[in-house]
Amino acid sequence: AQSVSQHNHHVILSEAASLELGCNYSYGGTVNLFWYVQYPGQHLQLLLKYFSGDPLVKGIKGFEAEFIKSKFSFNLRKPSVQWSDTAEYFCAVNRRTGGSYIPTFGRGTSLIVHP
Amino acid sequence: KAGVTQTPRYLIKTRGQQVTLSCSPISGHRSVSWYQQTPGQGLQFLFEYFSETQRNKGNFPGRFSGRQFSNSRSEMNVSTLELGDSALYLCASSSGQGSPYEQYFGPGTRLTVT
Repeated sequence: AQSVSQHNHHVILSEAASLELGCNYSYGGTVNLFWYVQYPGQHLQLLLKYFSGDPLVKGIKGFEAEFIKSKFSFNLRKPSVQWSDTAEYFCAVNRRTGGSYIPTFGRGTSLIVHP
Repeated sequence: KAGVTQTPRYLIKTRGQQVTLSCSPISGHRSVSWYQQTPGQGLQFLFEYFSETQRNKGNFPGRFSGRQFSNSRSEMNVSTLELGDSALYLCASSSGQGSPYEQYFGPGTRLTVT
């Protein structure tokens, strides 16, 4: 069965620290990759996505992620975090099946940034 | 453009009862997916409806069912509620066709089963 692993369940950082959240998936076929963020009290929203092309993708609020096909990874990075980045982050993989896609989410990483 | 709306936002039910949750997608979106979010399991995919047909299904028991109407609004039903069904139920809408589609999530319905 397809799975998505987020290795860091809880991350605590100080402002201006660098962030890297790991995401690995187990499916070997065609996949599309996403990072979603859920700020406290808000809806889940898309941070960035990878469909094809340049494996380094940039998203909103200074986040970026790199797709490394050989490692089945799609790690999220930000060079300098802010207090407002405190949120829950979810990696998701859409596996193509027929004409549609089946999504699988990781269990999420809770990020707390101290001012 | 209005976002995805879900009703009700909070619900308390007793074991053995059934519940129906509603989701209105973004105007023009034909795909509605449902997820169960719990602290231990994260987001788990329940099913997806596209043009009134269930297109994909996750690994949940038959107590969980859904439907989609001609206006793309969707309902999810859980019968014979169990304590373990307590969760945040999220609905997501998307165009559902063409290139891999982005999903737009609603605020969720918090279901508590006592």
